[in-house]
Amino acid sequence: NAGVTQTPKFQVLKTGQSMTLQCAQDMNHEYMSWYRQDPGMGLRLIHYSVGAGITDQGEVPNGYNVSRSTTEDFPLRLLSAAPSQTSVYFCASSQGVGSYEQYFGPGTRLTVT
Amino acid sequence: RKEVEQDPGPFNVPEGATVAFNCTYSNSASQSFFWYRQDCRKEPKLLMSVYSSGNEDGRFTAQLNRASQYISLLIRDSKLSDSATYLCVVNNFNKFYFGSGTKLNVKP
Repeated sequence: NAGVTQTPKFQVLKTGQSMTLQCAQDMNHEYMSWYRQDPGMGLRLIHYSVGAGITDQGEVPNGYNVSRSTTEDFPLRLLSAAPSQTSVYFCASSQGVGSYEQYFGPGTRLTVT
Repeated sequence: RKEVEQDPGPFNVPEGATVAFNCTYSNSASQSFFWYRQDCRKEPKLLMSVYSSGNEDGRFTAQLNRASQYISLLIRDSKLSDSATYLCVVNNFNKFYFGSGTKLNVKP
């Protein structure tokens, strides 16, 4: 199993550009989520999905969209990039919520200039 | 108020020392609790889940006090390889909240 994969690993955007961060998992996990990690702030939940076709907002959803058309994929779209979105983005998946372990992808380092 | 609060450290300890990390959470309805470990510039990985009865995994012991909304992690006989950031994580109704992490440096 590849686990959770994310692409790209690094990205530089100009203010106002849009892009999609890709996330895929091959463990047939129902729950998937996106986080951003800024220095000194820990991980903050952006959006999550409890199954295909179902998404919901986390703590910091503004400026981001998600969709979940399949169990395997959970892309994160930045609508109009801003310097405040410079961060490391992690995708995670788990069998469910509750006591299940979350498996994280390696992260995408995004810089917006 | 943050959902999860942790002392950021760093904790600088010699090999063989015992070190304890604490974490508090604000929502009394929180359902599940975890400690994750994150190495520099890497993704977080589960260290252990935390149960009300307390649980132990080798040198690591985790405790949960629901009345005080407090979670702890004890590391005994610290190894150089324990150097990392330890993240306290709480689950509320489909959402996971992370503390900002406590950095541990184990010195020879």
